[in-house]
Amino acid sequence: NAGVTQTPKFRVLKTGQSMTLLCAQDMNHEYMYWYRQDPGMGLRLIHYSVGEGTTAKGEVPDGYNVSRLKKQNFLLGLESAAPSQTSVYFCASMRWDTQYFGPGTRLTVL
Amino acid sequence: GQQLNQSPQSMFIQEGEDVSMNCTSSSIFNTWLWYKQEPGEGPVLLIALYKAGELTSNGRLTAQFGITRKDSFLNISASIPSDVGIYFCAGPYTGANSKLTFGKGITLSVRP
Repeated sequence: NAGVTQTPKFRVLKTGQSMTLLCAQDMNHEYMYWYRQDPGMGLRLIHYSVGEGTTAKGEVPDGYNVSRLKKQNFLLGLESAAPSQTSVYFCASMRWDTQYFGPGTRLTVL
Repeated sequence: GQQLNQSPQSMFIQEGEDVSMNCTSSSIFNTWLWYKQEPGEGPVLLIALYKAGELTSNGRLTAQFGITRKDSFLNISASIPSDVGIYFCAGPYTGANSKLTFGKGITLSVRP
């Protein structure tokens, strides 16, 4: 039982490049989330999903897109990366009001 | 919006000491969660509390769900160097249980 996994663990992009972060969970949870974490800002919700085929915006959705084609996977896309998107990204899944986090992806945009 | 308040931002203690931290809100929460995050890792759930007044232990950690539902406390007894990290509280938005709100966290340092 791996819990929540994220790939890749590290990535460096140039401004304007695109990429997709993958989150997978094996706990059969309906709810999944993408957060970013920046120094002094805490965890900020980007997008979330309450079930397969559904997505919703969080508090900082601009510049990101998501898809939940399969229950176990939640993808976060950056269409045109900007230096302001340099951050650590965490995925989480939830059941019974309790969230379980992945190990994170450290993204640097040059 | 709902906010969870944690202070101070940083705490420095000596190995072996007990430490207590709390989390407060102006809103009522039905669930309180405590997470620990170590450098370079994701937050790890320490304790989940689901009932007002509940007191739950996990090894040297003890957490309580405040009776007013507006606060929660985490105690760490006999601290050790590996207790170093950031401790977050969290709880579900009232009326929107699909999302959590998080405190900004307390960074704990333990001097050997």
